[in-house]
Amino acid sequence: AQSVTQLGSHVSVSEGALVLLRCNYSSSVPPYLFWYVQYPNQGLQLLLKYTSAATLVKGINGFEAEFKKSETSFHLTKPSAHMSDAAEYFCAVTPGTNAGKSTFGDGTTLTVKP
Amino acid sequence: EPEVTQTPSHQVTQMGQEVILRCVPISNHLYFYWYRQILGQKVEFLVSFYNNEISEKSEIFDDQFSVERPDGSNFTLKIRSTKLEDSAMYFCASGRGQPTYEQYFGPGTRLTVT
Repeated sequence: AQSVTQLGSHVSVSEGALVLLRCNYSSSVPPYLFWYVQYPNQGLQLLLKYTSAATLVKGINGFEAEFKKSETSFHLTKPSAHMSDAAEYFCAVTPGTNAGKSTFGDGTTLTVKP
Repeated sequence: EPEVTQTPSHQVTQMGQEVILRCVPISNHLYFYWYRQILGQKVEFLVSFYNNEISEKSEIFDDQFSVERPDGSNFTLKIRSTKLEDSAMYFCASGRGQPTYEQYFGPGTRLTVT
Protein backbone atom coordinates (compact mmCIF):
# COMPACT_ATOMS: atom_id res chain seq x y z
CA ALA A 1 0.00 0.00 0.00
CA GLN A 2 1.15 3.54 -0.65
CA SER A 3 0.01 7.03 0.16
CA VAL A 4 1.13 10.62 -0.19
CA THR A 5 0.51 13.56 2.10
CA GLN A 6 1.13 17.08 0.93
CA LEU A 7 1.23 19.46 3.84
CA GLY A 8 -0.38 22.77 3.00
CA SER A 9 -3.02 22.93 0.32
CA HIS A 10 -2.07 26.53 -0.39
CA VAL A 11 1.37 28.13 -0.22
CA SER A 12 1.97 31.80 -0.93
CA VAL A 13 5.41 33.31 -1.45
CA SER A 14 6.77 36.58 -2.73
CA GLU A 15 8.58 36.73 -6.02
CA GLY A 16 12.25 35.93 -5.40
CA ALA A 17 11.57 34.07 -2.16
CA LEU A 18 12.29 30.43 -1.42
CA VAL A 19 9.65 27.93 -2.45
CA LEU A 20 9.16 24.89 -0.22
CA LEU A 21 6.38 22.42 -0.95
CA ARG A 22 6.15 19.48 1.40
CA CYS A 23 5.51 15.86 0.53
CA ASN A 24 5.57 12.84 2.81
CA TYR A 25 4.97 9.35 1.53
CA SER A 26 4.18 5.91 2.78
CA SER A 27 5.10 2.83 0.82
CA SER A 28 5.46 -0.84 1.65
CA VAL A 29 8.11 -1.23 -1.07
CA PRO A 30 10.98 1.05 -2.14
CA PRO A 31 9.25 4.09 -3.59
CA TYR A 32 9.71 5.94 -6.82
CA LEU A 33 8.68 9.54 -6.30
CA PHE A 34 7.61 12.25 -8.70
CA TRP A 35 6.61 15.89 -8.66
CA TYR A 36 4.23 17.22 -11.31
CA VAL A 37 3.07 20.74 -12.07
CA GLN A 38 -0.35 21.53 -13.47
CA TYR A 39 -1.29 24.91 -14.88
CA PRO A 40 -4.99 25.83 -15.08
CA ASN A 41 -6.93 23.67 -17.54
CA GLN A 42 -3.80 21.84 -18.60
CA GLY A 43 -2.29 18.40 -18.13
CA LEU A 44 0.43 17.12 -15.83
CA GLN A 45 4.00 18.13 -16.53
CA LEU A 46 6.78 16.15 -14.88
CA LEU A 47 9.06 18.40 -12.84
CA LEU A 48 11.43 15.80 -11.46
CA LYS A 49 11.71 12.20 -10.32
CA TYR A 50 13.47 10.12 -7.71
CA THR A 51 14.30 6.65 -8.96
CA SER A 52 16.67 5.29 -6.28
CA ALA A 53 19.81 6.89 -7.69
CA ALA A 54 20.90 10.25 -6.24
CA THR A 55 18.86 11.46 -3.27
CA LEU A 56 19.06 15.09 -4.40
CA VAL A 57 17.21 15.39 -7.65
CA LYS A 58 17.25 18.38 -9.97
CA GLY A 59 14.37 19.07 -12.29
CA ILE A 60 13.13 21.59 -14.77
CA ASN A 61 12.55 25.30 -14.12
CA GLY A 62 15.09 25.40 -11.27
CA PHE A 63 13.23 23.01 -8.98
CA GLU A 64 14.89 20.31 -6.94
CA ALA A 65 13.85 17.78 -4.32
CA GLU A 66 15.63 15.70 -1.74
CA PHE A 67 14.63 12.15 -0.89
CA LYS A 68 14.99 11.51 2.85
CA LYS A 69 14.19 7.92 3.69
CA SER A 70 14.45 8.44 7.45
CA GLU A 71 11.81 11.17 7.27
CA THR A 72 9.81 9.54 4.44
CA SER A 73 9.87 12.91 2.73
CA PHE A 74 10.41 14.29 -0.75
CA HIS A 75 10.03 18.04 -0.40
CA LEU A 76 10.20 20.28 -3.45
CA THR A 77 12.24 23.48 -3.35
CA LYS A 78 13.22 26.36 -5.56
CA PRO A 79 15.60 29.05 -4.33
CA SER A 80 13.85 31.98 -5.98
CA ALA A 81 10.19 32.01 -6.98
CA HIS A 82 9.08 33.46 -10.28
CA MET A 83 5.60 34.64 -11.16
CA SER A 84 5.38 31.86 -13.75
CA ASP A 85 5.74 29.25 -10.99
CA ALA A 86 2.17 29.91 -9.84
CA ALA A 87 0.39 26.59 -10.41
CA GLU A 88 -0.84 23.41 -8.73
CA TYR A 89 1.85 20.96 -7.69
CA PHE A 90 1.31 17.25 -7.14
CA CYS A 91 3.58 14.75 -5.45
CA ALA A 92 3.13 11.12 -6.51
CA VAL A 93 4.52 7.75 -5.44
CA THR A 94 4.81 4.66 -7.59
CA PRO A 95 5.94 1.25 -6.38
CA GLY A 96 8.89 -0.35 -8.09
CA THR A 97 6.70 -2.79 -9.98
CA ASN A 98 6.13 -2.73 -13.70
CA ALA A 99 2.40 -2.08 -13.78
CA GLY A 100 2.28 -0.24 -10.48
CA LYS A 101 -0.16 2.59 -10.19
CA SER A 102 0.78 6.11 -9.17
CA THR A 103 -0.80 7.50 -6.03
CA PHE A 104 -1.09 11.27 -5.95
CA GLY A 105 -1.24 13.72 -3.09
CA ASP A 106 -4.04 16.25 -2.80
CA GLY A 107 -1.94 18.93 -4.41
CA THR A 108 -0.55 22.28 -3.29
CA THR A 109 -1.55 25.52 -4.96
CA LEU A 110 1.41 27.87 -5.17
CA THR A 111 0.68 31.59 -5.36
CA VAL A 112 3.51 34.00 -6.13
CA LYS A 113 3.02 37.60 -5.06
CA PRO A 114 4.77 40.42 -6.88
CA GLU B 1 10.33 13.52 -28.18
CA PRO B 2 7.48 11.01 -28.26
CA GLU B 3 4.31 11.98 -26.41
CA VAL B 4 1.10 10.41 -25.28
CA THR B 5 -1.81 11.88 -27.21
CA GLN B 6 -5.49 11.91 -26.32
CA THR B 7 -8.63 12.65 -28.27
CA PRO B 8 -10.90 14.48 -28.02
CA SER B 9 -9.61 17.27 -25.83
CA HIS B 10 -13.13 18.03 -24.68
CA GLN B 11 -16.23 15.85 -24.84
CA VAL B 12 -19.72 16.90 -23.86
CA THR B 13 -22.32 14.18 -23.51
CA GLN B 14 -25.75 13.69 -22.04
CA MET B 15 -26.34 11.55 -18.99
CA GLY B 16 -26.89 7.93 -19.93
CA GLN B 17 -24.92 8.11 -23.15
CA GLU B 18 -21.85 6.02 -23.91
CA VAL B 19 -18.50 7.72 -24.44
CA ILE B 20 -15.18 6.45 -25.66
CA LEU B 21 -12.03 8.31 -24.77
CA ARG B 22 -9.04 7.58 -26.95
CA CYS B 23 -5.34 7.55 -26.25
CA VAL B 24 -2.27 6.78 -28.30
CA PRO B 25 0.50 5.74 -25.90
CA ILE B 26 4.19 6.06 -26.66
CA SER B 27 5.00 3.34 -29.15
CA ASN B 28 7.52 1.21 -27.25
CA HIS B 29 5.70 1.35 -23.93
CA LEU B 30 4.10 -1.76 -22.49
CA TYR B 31 2.09 -0.46 -19.53
CA PHE B 32 -0.97 1.70 -19.89
CA TYR B 33 -3.09 3.57 -17.40
CA TRP B 34 -6.16 5.73 -17.02
CA TYR B 35 -6.52 8.31 -14.27
CA ARG B 36 -9.17 10.90 -13.63
CA GLN B 37 -9.25 14.26 -11.91
CA ILE B 38 -12.53 15.77 -10.82
CA LEU B 39 -12.38 19.56 -10.97
CA GLY B 40 -10.40 20.93 -8.04
CA GLN B 41 -9.46 17.52 -6.71
CA LYS B 42 -6.47 15.22 -6.89
CA VAL B 43 -5.60 12.76 -9.61
CA GLU B 44 -7.10 9.31 -8.99
CA PHE B 45 -6.04 5.98 -10.45
CA LEU B 46 -8.65 4.11 -12.45
CA VAL B 47 -6.99 1.17 -14.15
CA SER B 48 -3.71 -0.28 -15.38
CA PHE B 49 -3.36 -2.53 -18.42
CA TYR B 50 -0.59 -4.85 -19.59
CA ASN B 51 -0.37 -7.66 -22.07
CA ASN B 52 -3.95 -7.11 -23.19
CA GLU B 53 -5.48 -7.44 -19.79
CA ILE B 54 -6.23 -5.36 -16.75
CA SER B 55 -3.45 -5.50 -14.16
CA GLU B 56 -5.19 -3.53 -11.45
CA LYS B 57 -8.32 -1.43 -11.09
CA SER B 58 -9.63 0.91 -8.44
CA GLU B 59 -13.04 0.80 -6.82
CA ILE B 60 -14.01 3.70 -9.08
CA PHE B 61 -13.60 1.42 -12.10
CA ASP B 62 -16.92 -0.37 -11.86
CA ASP B 63 -18.90 -2.28 -14.47
CA GLN B 64 -19.70 0.96 -16.30
CA PHE B 65 -16.06 1.27 -17.33
CA SER B 66 -14.03 -0.82 -19.74
CA VAL B 67 -10.68 -0.51 -21.46
CA GLU B 68 -9.40 -1.90 -24.68
CA ARG B 69 -6.34 -1.86 -26.89
CA PRO B 70 -8.10 -2.58 -30.15
CA ASP B 71 -5.32 -2.30 -32.68
CA GLY B 72 -1.92 -2.28 -31.01
CA SER B 73 -1.62 1.49 -30.97
CA ASN B 74 -4.78 2.94 -29.46
CA PHE B 75 -5.87 2.51 -25.87
CA THR B 76 -9.47 3.37 -25.10
CA LEU B 77 -11.61 3.99 -22.05
CA LYS B 78 -15.34 3.39 -22.49
CA ILE B 79 -17.99 4.59 -20.10
CA ARG B 80 -21.20 2.73 -20.92
CA SER B 81 -23.84 4.95 -19.37
CA THR B 82 -22.44 8.24 -18.18
CA LYS B 83 -23.50 9.88 -14.95
CA LEU B 84 -23.16 13.48 -13.87
CA GLU B 85 -20.42 12.46 -11.44
CA ASP B 86 -18.31 11.11 -14.31
CA SER B 87 -17.57 14.70 -15.29
CA ALA B 88 -13.81 15.03 -14.90
CA MET B 89 -10.51 15.30 -16.70
CA TYR B 90 -9.36 11.86 -17.82
CA PHE B 91 -5.64 11.28 -18.24
CA CYS B 92 -4.05 8.44 -20.12
CA ALA B 93 -0.51 7.42 -19.24
CA SER B 94 2.00 4.90 -20.53
CA GLY B 95 5.30 3.56 -19.26
CA ARG B 96 8.16 1.17 -19.91
CA GLY B 97 8.35 -0.18 -16.39
CA GLN B 98 11.93 -0.75 -15.30
CA PRO B 99 14.19 0.95 -14.39
CA THR B 100 12.48 4.25 -13.52
CA TYR B 101 8.82 3.16 -13.54
CA GLU B 102 8.03 6.62 -14.87
CA GLN B 103 4.60 7.17 -16.36
CA TYR B 104 4.17 9.62 -19.20
CA PHE B 105 0.87 11.46 -19.10
CA GLY B 106 -1.21 12.69 -21.97
CA PRO B 107 -2.82 16.15 -22.04
CA GLY B 108 -6.17 14.81 -20.87
CA THR B 109 -9.74 14.73 -22.11
CA ARG B 110 -12.22 16.91 -20.28
CA LEU B 111 -15.52 15.04 -20.07
CA THR B 112 -18.62 17.05 -19.26
CA VAL B 113 -21.82 15.12 -18.59
CA THR B 114 -25.00 17.20 -18.71
